[in-house]
Amino acid sequence: DGGITQSPKYLFRKEGQNVTLSCEQNLNHDAMYWYRQDPGQGLRLIYYSQIVNDFQKGDIAEGYSVSREKKESFPLTVTSAQKNPTAFYLCASSIRGVDTEAFFGQGTRLTVV
Amino acid sequence: KQEVTQIPAALSVPEGENLVLNCSFTDSAIYNLQWFRQDPGKGLTSLLLIQSSQREQTSGRLNASLDKSSGRSTLYIAASQPGDSATYLCAVSSRFTAGNNRKLIWGLGTSLAVNP
Repeated sequence: DGGITQSPKYLFRKEGQNVTLSCEQNLNHDAMYWYRQDPGQGLRLIYYSQIVNDFQKGDIAEGYSVSREKKESFPLTVTSAQKNPTAFYLCASSIRGVDTEAFFGQGTRLTVV
Repeated sequence: KQEVTQIPAALSVPEGENLVLNCSFTDSAIYNLQWFRQDPGKGLTSLLLIQSSQREQTSGRLNASLDKSSGRSTLYIAASQPGDSATYLCAVSSRFTAGNNRKLIWGLGTSLAVNP
């Protein structure tokens, strides 16, 4: 079945650690996105990539980094510079860009311990 | 600056009722509007996408309409069922304020509870 797979489902980070969230899609989509979801706030865009080897900062990129070395993969690293990383992280993809239908993974809940 | 508002924030209805969820946006220069469903602790599921040139889209018991001039979209759910209980989010594809890159602008969602 085609879709987007995020792993792990739950992730715990100690203070000062970097952690990487995985996002893989087999939909053959060019565009991929990372969002952060916090209670009482709308989805906020962290990074997006329209094509392999290219990505752009979204609204809240500080403290995060990404790579897009393969079409099907768009991992997100939450660095120690991100001061409030506890949130629900959602990865999405679409065929070309935001003008096409977005498909989401099941999310990763990151908690700082 | 584009803003998306969803009212009400929460809605509770008895099973079988027809209901309408609202989404309003401040800038009519949109490219499309999408409706999503989110179950607790899960990702989003795409329900309907309406292009700016369209007036409505239908999928099963769901019907979404778009009125760009008034900045409104409605999601109509017919004969609601307990399985429809979820948060419904709308998002518009709108221009960045700088450059030509577009992004989705999100509402906060309507939390729907359908009671048996």
